[in-house]
Amino acid sequence: EAGVTQSPRYAVLQEGQAVSFWCDPISGHDTLYWYQQPRDQGPQLLVYFRDEAVIDNSQLPSDRFSAVRPKGTNSTLKIQSAKQGDTATYLCASSPLGPDTQYFGPGTRLLVL
Amino acid sequence: GEQVEQRPPHLSVPEGDSAVIICTYTDSATAYFYWYKQEPGAGLQLLMSVFSNVDRKEEQGLTVLLNKKDKQLSLNLTAAHPGDSAVYFCAVSADTGNYKYVFGAGTRLKVIA
Repeated sequence: EAGVTQSPRYAVLQEGQAVSFWCDPISGHDTLYWYQQPRDQGPQLLVYFRDEAVIDNSQLPSDRFSAVRPKGTNSTLKIQSAKQGDTATYLCASSPLGPDTQYFGPGTRLLVL
Repeated sequence: GEQVEQRPPHLSVPEGDSAVIICTYTDSATAYFYWYKQEPGAGLQLLMSVFSNVDRKEEQGLTVLLNKKDKQLSLNLTAAHPGDSAVYFCAVSADTGNYKYVFGAGTRLKVIA
C-alpha cells in the first residue's frame, strides 16, 4: 500500500512569492492534516479535513495561507505571499476516521529568502 | 489547551546503552499517545501507539510507559545502536471527538559507536 506522498520535496522562494504544496493521502483515509514544522521544533497543526470539509483551521494564518481538499482525496496548501518566517517543513498526514494513527508524508522543505 | 513538554532536548548515549525520553502532558482528557521517529530529511515514522488503558507496552527493543497519575509518558530504547540516531517526538490526543495531535518539541538522540 502506497504511503502519503507530497510534492514538491523542496522549494526556495523570495519573500512575496506564492507557493503551493500538494498531498496525496493513503487511499481510504478520511482525514487529512497539514502541519508546519519549523527547524528544531515539533510539528504544529495548521488545518485538517474530514473528507472535503475543513474541521479546524484555527491555526492557519488566513491572510496568506489557504488549503483545499475539493474531492475529499488530494489536498493543496497554498501560501499567497511568503515571508521569511514561513521557512519550515510542511508535513501532510492522513488517518482513517476516528482516533486512529496519523501517517505522515516525507514533507516539503520551504526556504523563504 | 493541551501542553506537552518533552525532555531532554538532546541525548547522547554509547552504543548498547539505553536511552530514555520523557513527555509530560497537561490535559486529563488525553487518551491516545504516540511516539514517532524522524530521520534527516524524512517525515515522521510511527514507532508505537498506546491507549490510556495501557500502562506498559513493549515492541522490538522499545518500551513505552504511561503514568496517568503524573500525566507522564516515556520511551525507553534498550540497547541503542547507531541506526537509532534520529529525532524522537511524542504526540498526544484527547478522546473528545477531535483527535488533533499535540506534539512535544522533540529529542535529538545520538548513539555513539
